[in-house]
Amino acid sequence: DVKVTQSSRYLVKRTGEKVFLECVQDMDHENMFWYRQDPGLGLRLIYFSYDVKMKEKGDIPEGYSVSREKKERFSLILESASTNQTSMYLCASSLDRDGYTFGSGTRLTVV
Amino acid sequence: AQSVTQPDIHITVSEGASLELRCNYSYGATPYLFWYVQSPGQGLQLLLKYFSGDTLVQGIKGFEAEFKRSQSSFNLRKPSVHWSDAAEYFCVTGGGNKLTFGTGTQLKVEL
Repeated sequence: DVKVTQSSRYLVKRTGEKVFLECVQDMDHENMFWYRQDPGLGLRLIYFSYDVKMKEKGDIPEGYSVSREKKERFSLILESASTNQTSMYLCASSLDRDGYTFGSGTRLTVV
Repeated sequence: AQSVTQPDIHITVSEGASLELRCNYSYGATPYLFWYVQSPGQGLQLLLKYFSGDTLVQGIKGFEAEFKRSQSSFNLRKPSVHWSDAAEYFCVTGGGNKLTFGTGTQLKVEL
């Protein structure tokens, strides 16, 4: 089975800190995605990548950036964390739209 | 842009009763549609998907969904709900390898 691993299950960071959320997949998938999940809003796409060193903005990219230096790793970066970025962050990878695999999520709290 | 709407935020059913979760899509051509489930503390799991062909789609855990073009709907059904079905359900549409999520329906099962 494809495994998508997110490095932290829970994180607490201070306002203004630079935050890195790491995601690694083990099935050589081309596509990787970062979503945030908030109650009543579902999952919203932040950034995605179809290939190494390639990135595309999703629906809510403001305040975030990403890095994909290797095919298996896709990092989400909060340059200066703010309290409105407190959320559950989900990483996913896929070969195509048919086969998404999600990580377990990172619950980030910014205080 | 493709989108899906889930009009019900919360639904409560008794164990053993039938279930229908509503989903309406917005897209001119035949959309790619999915239902995902997220159980408490669990990752997202694909229940079923519709791309084309037979409009009644069978999924895992006894779920099915019917694509109705005339109503722009893709409702999820289960004839008899089990307590373990309590979870959040997302209707999802896909385009260009990206998934767009609905806002989710939280299902509560009364024993």
